[in-house]
Amino acid sequence: AQSVAQPEDQVNVAEGNPLTVKCTYSVSGNPYLFWYVQYPNRGLQFLLKYITGDNLVKGSYGFEAEFNKSQTSFHLKKPSALVSDSALYFCAVSDNFNKFYFGSGTKLNVKP
Amino acid sequence: KAGVTQTPRYLIKTRGQQVTLSCSPISGHRSVSWYQQTPGQGLQFLFEYFSETQRNKGNFPGRFSGRQFSNSRSEMNVSTLELGDSALYLCASSLLVGTGNTIYFGEGSWLTVV
Repeated sequence: AQSVAQPEDQVNVAEGNPLTVKCTYSVSGNPYLFWYVQYPNRGLQFLLKYITGDNLVKGSYGFEAEFNKSQTSFHLKKPSALVSDSALYFCAVSDNFNKFYFGSGTKLNVKP
Repeated sequence: KAGVTQTPRYLIKTRGQQVTLSCSPISGHRSVSWYQQTPGQGLQFLFEYFSETQRNKGNFPGRFSGRQFSNSRSEMNVSTLELGDSALYLCASSLLVGTGNTIYFGEGSWLTVV
């Protein structure tokens, strides 16, 4: 069975500082990993995904994620946080027929 | 290119009623999936359709059903509404079939059951 875990309900970071949002996964077979962001009262927006290849994946709005097979992790990172990055972030793994399993979400608060 | 469009955005229903939600995928996308988002259960997969066929279904009671039309538009229906059905219902579409495809979400339909 596929699953992802986001161990932090909330992450607080000051504007301009680097941010990390953690995600670990458990899959049978090859991992297809995704990050999405959700702003209040909105749907989910795709940020980036890992399918195969380079362990460092670059995505939208300056975000990147590092795939680590030995630690079964796929942490989301950004070198310099913006107040506008404050939102709810979801890690996900996909299965057959576009079925996604989402983590519980991490609320990112970026303080000015 | 227009994104995934969901209607209505907000609705209030009474227990026991039924509701139909509509989703128009991104042009050219033939796979449509539905998710339920609640504070307690998070995001849960409901079902996925491709070429008018349901290919996958989540662990929801039979009160939850869906269909897809020949133009790839999809509807989901919830009958005999319960208070616990109050949620944000999200539709997503994908261009490709198979594994590892990106799905793109609409803004969602907020359902409140009173």
